[in-house]
Amino acid sequence: DTEVTQTPKHLVMGMTNKKSLKCEQHMGHRAMYWYKQKAKKPPELMFVYSYEKLSINESVPSRFSPECPNSSLLNLHLHALQPEDSALYLCASSQGPGPGAGEQYFGPGTRLTVT
Amino acid sequence: QKEVEQNSGPLSVPEGAIASLNCTYSDRGSQSFFWYRQYSGKSPELIMFIYSNGDKEDGRFTAQLNKASQYVSLLIRDSQPSDSATYLCAVIPYGGATNKLIFGTGTLLAVQP
Repeated sequence: DTEVTQTPKHLVMGMTNKKSLKCEQHMGHRAMYWYKQKAKKPPELMFVYSYEKLSINESVPSRFSPECPNSSLLNLHLHALQPEDSALYLCASSQGPGPGAGEQYFGPGTRLTVT
Repeated sequence: QKEVEQNSGPLSVPEGAIASLNCTYSDRGSQSFFWYRQYSGKSPELIMFIYSNGDKEDGRFTAQLNKASQYVSLLIRDSQPSDSATYLCAVIPYGGATNKLIFGTGTLLAVQP
């Protein structure tokens, strides 16, 4: 099974809402990632978890809060977002940190619209 | 200077031709190099990775790495319309001290039937 799943596929939320994005992988990977991608731009790294610990936070605003409940699951909690946060949010996983960390499997993404 | 640079294209090639996609990177300590393909509206998909100088072939794809010139390329032989996508070059810099993947801006490839 080389699949990374993400739910929901689409999400529309108001600026005062609280919502969560979910990501799951069953490949035994020990590194998981959140990316944000705007149209016609490359993915922009937000957070990295290695062995269930947050290892990289790319100075993401606190209205985005990641959580890694176990080695298979990754959540991204959203609160008080702004319209400019509308984007495709991608989850990815890799076997672990290190040079092979670039061999990442991406989920299909959640298309987020903030109104 | 951007860390990973690609020509945004579009690169237009006729069906059956060789498509050549190029990428340069700024960090000499980079050890790991990746090519991802992203169809419009879809997520990126890893198609090739290369860690050593030289060529690496996988089916119709060949990745080429020249660390002295800080250059990595992807050749697609016998290009098909289904190869039309954005190709993202990505690098793990800093000697692999971090698992942060740096993406280039991508090259849009259009294969004309």
